[in-house]
Amino acid sequence: KAGVTQTPRYLIKTRGQQVTLSCSPISGHRSVSWYQQTPGQGLQFLFEYFSETQRNKGNFPGRFSGRQFSNSRSEMNVSTLELGDSALYLCASSFQGGGGTEAFFGQGTRLTVV
Amino acid sequence: AQSVTQLGSHVSVSEGALVLLRCNYSSSVPPYLFWYVQYPNQGLQLLLKYTSAATLVKGINDFEAEFKKSETSFHLTKPSAHMSDAAEYFCAVSFMKYGASQGNLIFGKGTKLSVKP
Repeated sequence: KAGVTQTPRYLIKTRGQQVTLSCSPISGHRSVSWYQQTPGQGLQFLFEYFSETQRNKGNFPGRFSGRQFSNSRSEMNVSTLELGDSALYLCASSFQGGGGTEAFFGQGTRLTVV
Repeated sequence: AQSVTQLGSHVSVSEGALVLLRCNYSSSVPPYLFWYVQYPNQGLQLLLKYTSAATLVKGINDFEAEFKKSETSFHLTKPSAHMSDAAEYFCAVSFMKYGASQGNLIFGKGTKLSVKP
């Protein structure tokens, strides 16, 4: 069974640009969550999608957005990039989400903003 | 507010020694608790989870953790460290709110484990 796939693995963007990251969950998983990981702030929850609906949202500005497609694949978008957006962005999928559910993580997309 | 505190950003042990990584949580509702491991340039892998069944939880690679409600702790242990255990370890909590699961994980800052030969 294939794991969670994130593309691209590495990305370099310029301040002010926008970026789209992609996540393909494990087959059959309907919940996809996104996390930002930085040395200073650690791992922070961005948002969760379930059956194409945003079910939960972290404390990030509106420049961060996401969506989920009918096949459960998800994308997140960051507009007007800032230097502080440089981070490892991790996607996690689970069968239905929920507090006790195991989340499977992808390898992440390393975004560098210059 | 719910939070997770991991004591010690770096822990160093000798190969064969006991591994103890500390995690304390703050939650006003019953939590679900997890330990994840992250190797360099990789995602997170689940080691074990507590979901209100047995308080002593066994995970992969001989890791285990004990949920202690009175101490609000969920410390991770392994009897004998291997070189391959060198990685960063994250404690995380999720919780129920108003009868509905929040789902998202709240992570501690992580503890980097070094294993000396």
